[in-house]
Amino acid sequence: DTAVSQTPKYLVTQMGNDKSIKCEQNLGHDTMYWYKQDSKKFLKIMFSYNNKELIINETVPNRFSPKSPDKAHLNLHINSLELGDSAVYFCASSQRLIQGYTGELFFGEGSRLTVL
Amino acid sequence: QQQVKQSPQSLIVQKGGISIINCAYENTAFDYFPWYQQFPGKGPALLIAIRPDVSEKKEGRFTISFNKSAKQFSLHIMDSQPGDSATYFCAASTGNNDMRFGAGTRLTVKP
Repeated sequence: DTAVSQTPKYLVTQMGNDKSIKCEQNLGHDTMYWYKQDSKKFLKIMFSYNNKELIINETVPNRFSPKSPDKAHLNLHINSLELGDSAVYFCASSQRLIQGYTGELFFGEGSRLTVL
Repeated sequence: QQQVKQSPQSLIVQKGGISIINCAYENTAFDYFPWYQQFPGKGPALLIAIRPDVSEKKEGRFTISFNKSAKQFSLHIMDSQPGDSATYFCAASTGNNDMRFGAGTRLTVKP
């Protein structure tokens, strides 16, 4: 039973299109994230939600809009796609520990977005 | 601006050798230092982690060494195996769920 699942796994689209990636976690965690991994494998945090509330919003173009309908889901919508958006997008979740520490991040398998 | 600096970018080690990957950070508010392992086509997965109140943590063949005064930490993989070939990321976070990753090290263990 997959802990963090994201769909689709592959996405090929034209410049200017709008696309969405969905993420669901069944771990009961209260925090979810979106990370972008570029061609050089660098993992950059984009957004973090805690109990449906936006906690971290890095310097990401406002074409990217996360939506968290409940604490088990965090979707990523991307408008007006550009060539530079091509990357692997990872969803992750974690549980904040009692002492306030960040717990282990559990990652999905990634969604590879290719913009032509 | 990268908050966690990782080196080397790539590493080739013979089977049975020791793999060493180094990381450095600036933000003294970081209080959790994990290492993640990523295989091709998969998401990163936690390998081992340390908090700044200890200087070393060992789990099997994997050891984290932590130097708080130097703001550096490293991963040692003893008796490296071909199955260890993967990309390794160091990371650091504060208590607000803000996990920052190093640039990654591509490890190849030759048989």
